[in-house]
Amino acid sequence: DVKVTQSSRYLVKRTGEKVFLECVQDMDHENMFWYRQDPGLGLRLIYFSYDVKMKEKGDIPEGYSVSREKKERFSLILESASTNQTSMYLCASSPPSSNQPQHFGDGTRLSIL
Amino acid sequence: RKEVEQDPGPFNVPEGATVAFNCTYSNSASQSFFWYRQDCRKEPKLLMSVYSSGNEDGRFTAQLNRASQYISLLIRDSKLSDSATYLCVVSPGGSARQLTFGSGTQLTVLP
Repeated sequence: DVKVTQSSRYLVKRTGEKVFLECVQDMDHENMFWYRQDPGLGLRLIYFSYDVKMKEKGDIPEGYSVSREKKERFSLILESASTNQTSMYLCASSPPSSNQPQHFGDGTRLSIL
Repeated sequence: RKEVEQDPGPFNVPEGATVAFNCTYSNSASQSFFWYRQDCRKEPKLLMSVYSSGNEDGRFTAQLNRASQYISLLIRDSKLSDSATYLCVVSPGGSARQLTFGSGTQLTVLP
């Protein structure tokens, strides 16, 4: 069974802090994704990666960056956290071929004060 | 127009009822289709893939109509545990590996 693990379920940070959200998957998946989910807006793709050291912008990359130094790990970085980045953050992974379903981690509920 | 559109609901149905959700998508090149289920404050989980010929998994039936670009999910004999948000998910097609998620349809099954 696919296991996607996010480092924290709940996180509280202050405006201006640099925030790291970590995600690890154990299925040797090439594809990894970061989303945020807000009421009424659904899931929105922030960044994704098809391979180590590779990244592509999603629909809402502003204010975020990512790092993929190892295949199993995909990190989301909030360079200078702002209150509008308070949200549920979800990491997902999928096999290399296109059109595959994604498997999600438990999510990190991030509050920026 | 949104790429994937769903009726947000909420749908409130009694136990044992049959309920159907529809979803429309705008990209005619889309190749893969899925239904996900998301419980309150939890992550989305794959419920089932949707195949061109339609497919069934127990009480759940998924249908695809490529000509009209819509997908449906039918739940028979609803259980209390079916209460959740159901997300319609579509792949852009081609070599793209990302998916496009609908905003979800909320279902509450009442005792």
